[in-house]
Amino acid sequence: DSGVTQTPKHLITATGQRVTLRCSPRSGDLSVYWYQQSLDQGLQFLIQYYNGEERAKGNILERFSAQQFPDLHSELNLSSLELGDSALYFCASSVDEGSNEQFFGPGTRLTVL
Amino acid sequence: AQSVTQLGSHVSVSEGALVLLRCNYSSSVPPYLFWYVQYPNQGLQLLLKYTTGATLVKGINGFEAEFKKSETSFHLTKPSAHMSDAAEYFCAVTSLRGFQKLVFGTGTRLLVSP
Repeated sequence: DSGVTQTPKHLITATGQRVTLRCSPRSGDLSVYWYQQSLDQGLQFLIQYYNGEERAKGNILERFSAQQFPDLHSELNLSSLELGDSALYFCASSVDEGSNEQFFGPGTRLTVL
Repeated sequence: AQSVTQLGSHVSVSEGALVLLRCNYSSSVPPYLFWYVQYPNQGLQLLLKYTTGATLVKGINGFEAEFKKSETSFHLTKPSAHMSDAAEYFCAVTSLRGFQKLVFGTGTRLLVSP
């Protein structure tokens, strides 16, 4: 158990819908990262937050957004969902923005029908 | 830009045999290198990491990896495979400092037969 929690574990929804994925980092970690794992794209970095502020962006679509709240939990919002958004979404956390060790949560499996 | 290449999407070994999973990286700055393991329906677990210092790093579950700058490689080895080692293994690279975006390889599925 990494100490990073993600909810829900599974999510099934329809095209065009909007969903929110939630992540609670390890106690004391200030930085949160979101990754997408799909069969065709592999594991890809989406976005990073540190202490409430966006710090780095990767291959994140404009339909996707994220935020980190004062209690340090983070949410990833996916809108206008398409079939291709079906994937496993991981959250990871680290002590600070420069820390080289990230701890991964169990992931949220999103299925878009 | 940084990238990782993992040779072989599947590797099969017999129980007790040597495990060798290959990883080559590309980085214009000194890299930090990682190996993660993913068991079915689970998240990623850190096996080991190289940051600076000793180039041979030991990780959990008997795995180790050697950073070879001249070969831009960070291959993962284990002397004797166990059935419980069957999983997917990911090599990842990030930069020495700054925002720690992990760039992952495509993964290698390790199959262990009795």
